[in-house]
Amino acid sequence: DIQMTQSPPSLSASVGDRVTIACRASQSISTYLNWYQQKPGQAPKLLISAASRVERGVPSRFSGSGSGTDFTLTISSLQPEDLATYYCQQSYTSAQFTFGPGTKVDL
Amino acid sequence: QVTLRESGPALVKPTQTLTLTCTFSGFSLSGSGMCVSWIRQPPGKALEWLARIDWDDDKYYSTSLKTRLTISKDTSQNQVVLTMTNMDPVDTATYYCARSCSWFDYWGQGTLVIVSS
Repeated sequence: DIQMTQSPPSLSASVGDRVTIACRASQSISTYLNWYQQKPGQAPKLLISAASRVERGVPSRFSGSGSGTDFTLTISSLQPEDLATYYCQQSYTSAQFTFGPGTKVDL
Repeated sequence: QVTLRESGPALVKPTQTLTLTCTFSGFSLSGSGMCVSWIRQPPGKALEWLARIDWDDDKYYSTSLKTRLTISKDTSQNQVVLTMTNMDPVDTATYYCARSCSWFDYWGQGTLVIVSS
């Protein structure tokens, strides 16, 4: 199975900061990488699919990049409502999806 | 609009079998290219994909749990059912169903299942 890692596990930032979260796959997954935001007590929300496609309705401060094994989620200017845990998920092997361990963003 | 809702017991005893139902609307599992997955999240921990069923009745299971899981669908009722046998306290988690064959664009609100005697 493909293993996913994320770094850092958690981070503290201030409003207006540029925040970058890394996700790494144990083997090449092309651009089959998706990002989710999960706020406390809520279901995850899809932010970015196929490594860089921002979902409709997601603020433009969110962006994704990468291919192969290394990927990045960037929040260009952190807002208070961005307090959440962020997960990456590979969909390269559709019979065995895997999520990363998550990155908790605190303000 | 697309909605999904999970239902099932909130409490199960160790060794029992868990049956969860995902009832959805706004799409059909008889349509080509549609899939529904089950995903769980133990309290304070990460998401774990469990199983997926496709419009053509193909089924996929987590390698680590496949001996305990069965997924099925009732297209006429717009429902997907997951059964998990031999429940253990470590299976305590919020269980979600979600749409899509690749990325999960719609999720249910989740249902918390506690495994305790």
